[in-house]
Amino acid sequence: QKEVEQDPGPLSVPEGAIVSLNCTYSNSAFQYFMWYRQYSRKGPELLMYTYSSGNKEDGRFTAQVDKSSKYISLFIRDSQPSDSATYLCAMNKAAGNKLTFGGGTRVLVKP
Amino acid sequence: GAVVSQHPSRVICKSGTSVKIECRSLDFQATTMFWYRQFPKKSLMLMATSNEGSKATYEQGVEKDKFLINHASLTLSTLTVTSAHPEDSSFYICSAREGQSPYGYTFGSGTRLTVV
Repeated sequence: QKEVEQDPGPLSVPEGAIVSLNCTYSNSAFQYFMWYRQYSRKGPELLMYTYSSGNKEDGRFTAQVDKSSKYISLFIRDSQPSDSATYLCAMNKAAGNKLTFGGGTRVLVKP
Repeated sequence: GAVVSQHPSRVICKSGTSVKIECRSLDFQATTMFWYRQFPKKSLMLMATSNEGSKATYEQGVEKDKFLINHASLTLSTLTVTSAHPEDSSFYICSAREGQSPYGYTFGSGTRLTVV
């Protein structure tokens, strides 16, 4: 069993819809949670980060962490075709040095 | 914001030759750099972690003699794929971290290596 599970998709939505992404994890030592966006043949770029449980909002993006369920989510409101990309969740232990990534979910936003 | 420059973006080499990929942090000092490999439609697989001035720490299953990592300064790390074979063809991505921030990982734009 992988430490971090993420549905690979693809997730296809019409423009303007809400995109809902999630990851589950098994290691309760993870404290820091991140979402990255990766366009084809590019490196990942950090979208959101949260510490421990809770919600965080930044523009059209909302990240949620539920440590009791070992479940994190990313919501993208008013999705645009430019949001079409692969979204990767990543996690880090408090004193850790390396990120643990989910497998990534490919998102397609159709005009 | 932090910027990591990775070169080349694409390289084609003949089987048996060596290829060097550079990763530079442009506006910050990277205490730690990471090298990843990514197969099509797959996630990033960590290959090794390097700290400036010390030997890289390789993940299990990664051949250290084949994938040579040098982190000679706080702004430059290189990955050399030695005696490349077609199975080494992949997308290689570096990441640099400033200090000990749990979030401060900046990724390069990746290098697509094709071995023919």
